[in-house]
Amino acid sequence: GQQLNQSPQSMFIQEGEDVSMNCTSSSIFNTWLWYKQEPGEGPVLLIALYKAGELTSNGRLTAQFGITRKDSFLNISASIPSDVGIYFCAGPGGYDKVIFGPGTSLSVIP
Amino acid sequence: DTEVTQTPKHLVMGMTNKKSLKCEQHMGHRAMYWYKQKAKKPPELMFVYSYEKLSINESVPSRFSPECPNSSLLNLHLHALQPEDSALYLCASSLDPPRVGSPLHFGNGTRLTVT
Repeated sequence: GQQLNQSPQSMFIQEGEDVSMNCTSSSIFNTWLWYKQEPGEGPVLLIALYKAGELTSNGRLTAQFGITRKDSFLNISASIPSDVGIYFCAGPGGYDKVIFGPGTSLSVIP
Repeated sequence: DTEVTQTPKHLVMGMTNKKSLKCEQHMGHRAMYWYKQKAKKPPELMFVYSYEKLSINESVPSRFSPECPNSSLLNLHLHALQPEDSALYLCASSLDPPRVGSPLHFGNGTRLTVT
């Protein structure tokens, strides 16, 4: 079946630094979704991408739909402590399914 | 605040108990989902309802029984669970089924502990 991989698995950064993470698929996707999950809460949608090459921003977050349609990238600029959490990429995994990558855990050191 | 509401927030049940998890959304979404999530792992799909009909069952054991009474409500009935079923159970909804690209909106989950 389709699989998603995310890297890095975890990141420890200083407050104010920029963050980059990526997600790759074993097959072509027509939609990429990026979620953030904080402890005790459900995943929250950050950005949705629908077109190869698309670059979309949401505040300090920017995500790109890779041209090959097998990858996507998420960047966070000028990180702050509330950026801490697990970031998941997700996409359609077949009829009516949305599958998730294993996640990138982000820790921000004040 | 999430627009998908799940109750209860926490649930502890014995292996012989019967309990139900409830999920509600009033966004007019036409697809609803149950996911199971273990600590530090991604959500795993269990069931999908599309237009109030069960469209996907990811080979979930029969001790989990979903129900969609109407387009706004989704239940998960639990019976004779095992300790390994302890997890965060997440409900989600989307405007349309995901094959048309609608993103999922999640509730905050029910933390289930089976003793």
